[in-house]
Amino acid sequence: NAGVTQTPKFQVLKTGQSMTLQCAQDMNHNSMYWYRQDPGMGLRLIYYSASEGTTDKGEVPNGYNVSRLNKREFSLRLESAAPSQTSVYFCASSEAEVPGQYFGPGTRLTVT
Amino acid sequence: KQEVTQIPAALSVPEGENLVLNCSFTDSAIYNLQWFRQDPGKGLTSLLLIQSSQREQTSGRLNASLDKSSGRSTLYIAASQPGDSATYLCAPPGFGNEKLTFGTGTRLTIIP
Repeated sequence: NAGVTQTPKFQVLKTGQSMTLQCAQDMNHNSMYWYRQDPGMGLRLIYYSASEGTTDKGEVPNGYNVSRLNKREFSLRLESAAPSQTSVYFCASSEAEVPGQYFGPGTRLTVT
Repeated sequence: KQEVTQIPAALSVPEGENLVLNCSFTDSAIYNLQWFRQDPGKGLTSLLLIQSSQREQTSGRLNASLDKSSGRSTLYIAASQPGDSATYLCAPPGFGNEKLTFGTGTRLTIIP
């Protein structure tokens, strides 16, 4: 099992450009999450999806959209990137009946 | 809103010492708490998950305890090794019992 995979690993954008971060898991988990990690701030939840077809906002959703394409895949879209969105983005998944989240390797995004 | 504090923010100890990392949280109505390790530039690796019905959980040289009533968890590392150098994060659930809230971590350096 690959666990949780994320693409791309690194990305540089100019202000105003758009992009989609991809996440996939092969553990048949119902729940998936997007976090961002900034120095001195810890990880903060952007959006989550409790099941296929549902999404909800987390702590810092502004400037982002998500799509739960199917049970395996959960994408994060930046429609108009801003320098404040420079961060490391982590995707995670979990199953409600089995506590514990599993994280992907992260995407390091720089917006200039 | 769940808030998590980890003390100390950084710790350097000689190889072979036993050490304790502390985590405190404000909302004690949790079902579990997860400890993670993060190496520089990498994703999060789950170390231990303690259910609220447990007081301790052990994995090799690691032992985590949970005291819900006082809002505290500790991670004990026995006989530290240079390979233990990393940032350690604790994460109780935030709102709902799946979405995690993270502290800013303790950056541990083991000196050979």
